[in-house]
Amino acid sequence: EAQVTQNPRYLITVTGKKLTVTCSQNMNHEYMSWYRQDPGLGLRQIYYSMNVEVTDKGDVPEGYKVSRKEKRNFPLILESPSPNQTSLYFCASSLMIGVSSGANVLTFGAGSRLTVL
Amino acid sequence: DQQVKQNSPSLSVQEGRISILNCDYTNSMFDYFLWYKKYPAEGPTFLISISSIKDKNEDGRFTVFLNKSAKHLSLHIVPSQPGDSAVYFCAAKLGGFKTIFGAGTRLFVKA
Repeated sequence: EAQVTQNPRYLITVTGKKLTVTCSQNMNHEYMSWYRQDPGLGLRQIYYSMNVEVTDKGDVPEGYKVSRKEKRNFPLILESPSPNQTSLYFCASSLMIGVSSGANVLTFGAGSRLTVL
Repeated sequence: DQQVKQNSPSLSVQEGRISILNCDYTNSMFDYFLWYKKYPAEGPTFLISISSIKDKNEDGRFTVFLNKSAKHLSLHIVPSQPGDSAVYFCAAKLGGFKTIFGAGTRLFVKA
């Protein structure tokens, strides 16, 4: 089954304790992205990657790091989590078709709910 | 500054009637508009899209209308079913691969 898998699904942690949320896709998609969902703000992009070793900042990158060492994996790293990073996080991926990607339909993971105390 | 706005946080509709979800945008450079549906404890899933050069796209019970002069799009669901109860995100693609999402509208379809 074609899917994006995120882990963990739920996590409660404390301020300053480093954590990693993993994301893996089995569709051979070049493009991968992380979003956070907050009430009233919708989905905001944190980081994205257009291929292995190619990553760039989205709209809200502060406090986050990513890496893309393999095509299928795109982990999100919180080096020193703070309470304002309490949120619902989604990883997504899509095919890249030429320079203009058409509608660029994203396939999302099920989400990771993070609470930072 | 939100470039994609969904001003109605929630909408309640009777089963069998039409659901109309609205979305406004500010950037005339968006080249595609999409709607995603999200159920609790799941990720958003793609529903329907429309190119900026079109004014209507239909897929079964779902139709999206685009009014570029008003920078407005809407999603019509006819007839609405209880299984359509979900959060609907309007999204707009800005060339390349950047997609900007609205805040979402929660649709309740009452049986």
